Amino acid sequence: ETGVTQSPTHLIKTRGQQVTLRCSSQSGHNTVSWYQQALGQGPQFIFQYYREEENGRGNFPPRFSGLQFPNYSSELNVNALELDDSALYLCASSLAGDLADTEAFFGQGTRLTVV
Amino acid sequence: AQKITQTQPGMFVQEKEAVTLDCTYDTSDPSYGLFWYKQPSSGEMIFLIYQGSYDQQNATEGRYSLNFQKARKSANLVISASQLGDSAMYFCAMSNTGGFKTIFGAGTRLFVKA
Repeated sequence: ETGVTQSPTHLIKTRGQQVTLRCSSQSGHNTVSWYQQALGQGPQFIFQYYREEENGRGNFPPRFSGLQFPNYSSELNVNALELDDSALYLCASSLAGDLADTEAFFGQGTRLTVV
Repeated sequence: AQKITQTQPGMFVQEKEAVTLDCTYDTSDPSYGLFWYKQPSSGEMIFLIYQGSYDQQNATEGRYSLNFQKARKSANLVISASQLGDSAMYFCAMSNTGGFKTIFGAGTRLFVKA
């Protein structure tokens, strides 16, 4: 148990639709990161939120957007879904700062299938 | 730009033997952290071990140890006394100063044979 929960666990959407994935971070963690993991590959960094502001972004188009709320929850929104968006989406919460030991705690993931 | 490279797509090891999973990295950041995660078929990412770039000693956590060679930019994971439950995907990851923007390698699938 990492204390990080994601919902839903599985989701099927149609191409062109919009989807919202949710993550509840560990209490006190100020940072949440979202990753996309295609089948058989490593997680790809989508973006990171630190104290409710986007702090960094990977090579993902603007139709991938997010929010982080003061209650340690966050959202990943994807507009205009494409078939290639089918993947496992992972969120990870951590307490980032000046200290080096910044282990990230992952949720169990949301498996998104776009048909 | 930061980069993590895992060159072993798959590895086999006999139960009770030791195995080394390779990881090399590239970064221009003077301070960084290196991690290893295990991902069973269930999909969850399980933290195994952490090494800070300024740590003098190699990190150890039970049967896991990290062979950190800073000059070579390598951070290999050593699993001693392999168990059948160690069969999984293993990912090497790196974060920059303050733990921001952790990136992952492509992973190594480990198979433990009875």
